[in-house]
Amino acid sequence: DIQMTQSPSSLSASVGDRVTITCRASQSISSYLNWYQQKPGKAPKLLIYAASSLQSGVPSRFSGSGSGTDFTLTISSLQPEDFATYYCQQSYSTPPTFGPGTKVDIK
Amino acid sequence: EVQLVQSGAEVKKPGESLKISCKGSGYSFTSYWIGWVRQMPGKGLEWMGIIYPGDSDTRYGPSFQGQVTISADKSISTAYLQWSSLKASDTAMYYCARHSNDVDDYWGQGTLVTVSS
Repeated sequence: DIQMTQSPSSLSASVGDRVTITCRASQSISSYLNWYQQKPGKAPKLLIYAASSLQSGVPSRFSGSGSGTDFTLTISSLQPEDFATYYCQQSYSTPPTFGPGTKVDIK
Repeated sequence: EVQLVQSGAEVKKPGESLKISCKGSGYSFTSYWIGWVRQMPGKGLEWMGIIYPGDSDTRYGPSFQGQVTISADKSISTAYLQWSSLKASDTAMYYCARHSNDVDDYWGQGTLVTVSS
């Protein structure tokens, strides 16, 4: 299985901050990388697919980049509704594996 | 509107059997894979397996092969996840998700399974 890591595991930030989360794959996954947001008690929500494509309806302050083994999710200006846990997922090979998550909370 | 609606929370005893469901609507149910994802209390997301309702082709993650059974009834647009003998370690939230072009784009609301004696 392809192993996914994320850093940091948690971060504290203020409304309006620029936030960057990193995801690394244990082998090259081309651009088969997705990002999900999960709020407490809710199902995950797709934000970014194929490393950099914004899912319909997702605010443009979210962006993704990277290819191969290293990927980044950026929130350009953190909003109150963005406090959540973010997961990356590789869909290059079965089983698709998730990173351990990055919890973004209020400073 | 695409929707996946899961069955309600369950409380079971160790050794009991269970089948939970995920009903799709608003799209062609037989044309998309449906996957199941486990989230243990306070933990991350784990991919369990996936089924193509059109022909019931099913794949399992290595950790879940032999531990659960995934099935679907295309006549009622419903996918299932079942256990024959539950363990306390099966206590978790279980999500179904529609799988399209290498992403899980729509998710059910989750089914909480609690296994306790």
